Amino acid sequence: DAGVTQSPTHLIKTRGQQVTLRCSPKSGHDTVSWYQQALGQGPQFIFQYYEEEERQRGNFPDRFSGHQFPNYSSELNVNALLLGDSALYLCASSLYRANTGELFFGEGSRLTVL
Amino acid sequence: DQQVKQNSPSLSVQEGRISILNCDYTNSMFDYFLWYKKYPAEGPTFLISISSIKDKNEDGRFTVFLNKSAKHLSLHIVPSQPGDSAVYFCAASERSYIPTFGRGTSLIVHP
Repeated sequence: DAGVTQSPTHLIKTRGQQVTLRCSPKSGHDTVSWYQQALGQGPQFIFQYYEEEERQRGNFPDRFSGHQFPNYSSELNVNALLLGDSALYLCASSLYRANTGELFFGEGSRLTVL
Repeated sequence: DQQVKQNSPSLSVQEGRISILNCDYTNSMFDYFLWYKKYPAEGPTFLISISSIKDKNEDGRFTVFLNKSAKHLSLHIVPSQPGDSAVYFCAASERSYIPTFGRGTSLIVHP
């Protein structure tokens, strides 16, 4: 039973560039949420996708966008990268109807912006 | 404005003793509370949860206590083991089930 997988695990970009991170949810899950974890902070909610639509969004600018595909996998795109976007980006999957807040996380993609 | 606060960034405990990790929240609409554990280079993993209709939930060595009037919850680990050394995140959610996380407490259990 495959858990949540994310790619790439590490990447380095420069200011102004764009990045795409990818996530495959745990088998049987239909909902993907993205979190940003800066150093010394807890995970901060970016947005959640279900049925290929953004269902909820946290306090992040429009530079952060996403997509969910028919197979439930998801992408997180960040445009016009800033130094402050350097963080661990976590993907979490869940079952929409479970309605418990219990999430299954991937290992994350560590983004460094220079 | 942090809605979920973990005011102790770190905690050091001797193996076999009790570890108590604390968490406070400000949003009275939160009705579901979770603890996650995170090892280095891994994503957080769900540990234990409690609904607001309860004041205690136990799972093996892990017990979570909820004091709604104080908006406070705690995680007790008894007995603590070196393998419990990790960062512990407290999280809370409303019925929208998007959990809000605290900053985490780093637990070190010494052999």
